[in-house]
Amino acid sequence: QQQVKQSPQSLIVQKGGISIINCAYENTAFDYFPWYQQFPGKGPALLIAIRPDVSEKKEGRFTISFNKSAKQFSLHIMDSQPGDSATYFCAARRDNYGQNFVFGPGTRLSVLP
Amino acid sequence: DTGVSQNPRHKITKRGQNVTFRCDPISEHNRLYWYRQTLGQGPEFLTYFQNEAQLEKSRLLSDRFSAERPKGSFSTLEIQRTEQGDSAMYLCASSLVRASGGQETQYFGPGTRLLVL
Repeated sequence: QQQVKQSPQSLIVQKGGISIINCAYENTAFDYFPWYQQFPGKGPALLIAIRPDVSEKKEGRFTISFNKSAKQFSLHIMDSQPGDSATYFCAARRDNYGQNFVFGPGTRLSVLP
Repeated sequence: DTGVSQNPRHKITKRGQNVTFRCDPISEHNRLYWYRQTLGQGPEFLTYFQNEAQLEKSRLLSDRFSAERPKGSFSTLEIQRTEQGDSAMYLCASSLVRASGGQETQYFGPGTRLLVL
């Protein structure tokens, strides 16, 4: 119940295209869903986050879509750029308990020029 | 730079040696987390502190792993008698959690990459 599943494992997109990464969870007690971006040799950096009372959140080219009934959420990267090539992790947190922060396995995105 | 810092960035050690990593969180943050990340995987929670109190340590991988945050500021993660399976990236993150609740954003450091020969 603590797991967060993420797909695809890797994704190749042409420059200017839309990148879509999907995550699913089981535990309905999760109350906060962030996405992190990680470049090789660096720590993850927060990209965008959403709470379950909102169905969509957009920040620049990045959009999270949240489907509470399906227990799924996704990251959309519009007008993908080569600089977006990185590994993306979805995560989920339950309540205020730090140990309940769980990460998906990651999606390696490559944007071709 | 006021981000999370970790030292050293890289550590190569021989099996059986002890290693210690340091994390300096963002100064006003009251929570500090340690994660392990292996190749192709997401960060795996190890332990965390709220101020100087270690609130959860059952997920430390074995009794060879220990962490401290003696003054509620920086933290150290020690691995005793290292094994080759300990080779991984060790990430530290910090956050500010308010008593009133609300969103908690974790800010990660660059990590310490450990290689055990």
